[in-house]
Amino acid sequence: GENVEQHPSTLSVQEGDSAVIKCTYSDSASNYFPWYKQELGKGPQLIIDIRSNVGEKKDQRIAVTLNKTAKHFSLHITETQPEDSAVYFCAASTDSTLTFGKGTMLLVSP
Amino acid sequence: SQTIHQWPATLVQPVGSPLSLECTVEGTSNPNLYWYRQAAGRGLQLLFYSVGIGQISSEVPQNLSASRPQDRQFILSSKKLLLSDSGFYLCAWSGGMQPQHFGDGTRLSIL
Repeated sequence: GENVEQHPSTLSVQEGDSAVIKCTYSDSASNYFPWYKQELGKGPQLIIDIRSNVGEKKDQRIAVTLNKTAKHFSLHITETQPEDSAVYFCAASTDSTLTFGKGTMLLVSP
Repeated sequence: SQTIHQWPATLVQPVGSPLSLECTVEGTSNPNLYWYRQAAGRGLQLLFYSVGIGQISSEVPQNLSASRPQDRQFILSSKKLLLSDSGFYLCAWSGGMQPQHFGDGTRLSIL
């Protein structure tokens, strides 16, 4: 089955800096890669996703890149703000189920 | 627009007691429905998913079961809870293959 590795497990940045979270996947048939943000006590919220026919997608301060050859994808957050502090999960899918990474706790200090 | 509801938000149960967690989705028809467990340490583990009424796929053998009595209702159950069943239980839905949208979860503590 699919295996998703996510790094780093914890990331601390200063407000205004950029943050990058990286994931690798094992199944070359995976074709859908979402990113979720989870705040304390809440369910994960979809923030951006990318399909395998696209190499990059951007939505304001958030961007995702995908390298199918290397089987890795990354989340980029620019101009970070304290409200970006949360746990971020990557995931990969070949069908109707998702395999998640273990999450990255992002802390943005004012 | 579509919304997903989970209840209760918090539950404390003794070991050996039964469990029933409910999830409902509004604003869509024939959704795929999912139950996940999130243990301390943040990872999400898929427990069950359903592509239609009465159709349940189990991903991990365990002390839990799931049922889908109606199109937009998904229930997670146990006859006898174990200490290891403690965790944060999340329900999710998708309209077809992807993306999945999550509810706000139930925090289950077993004493």
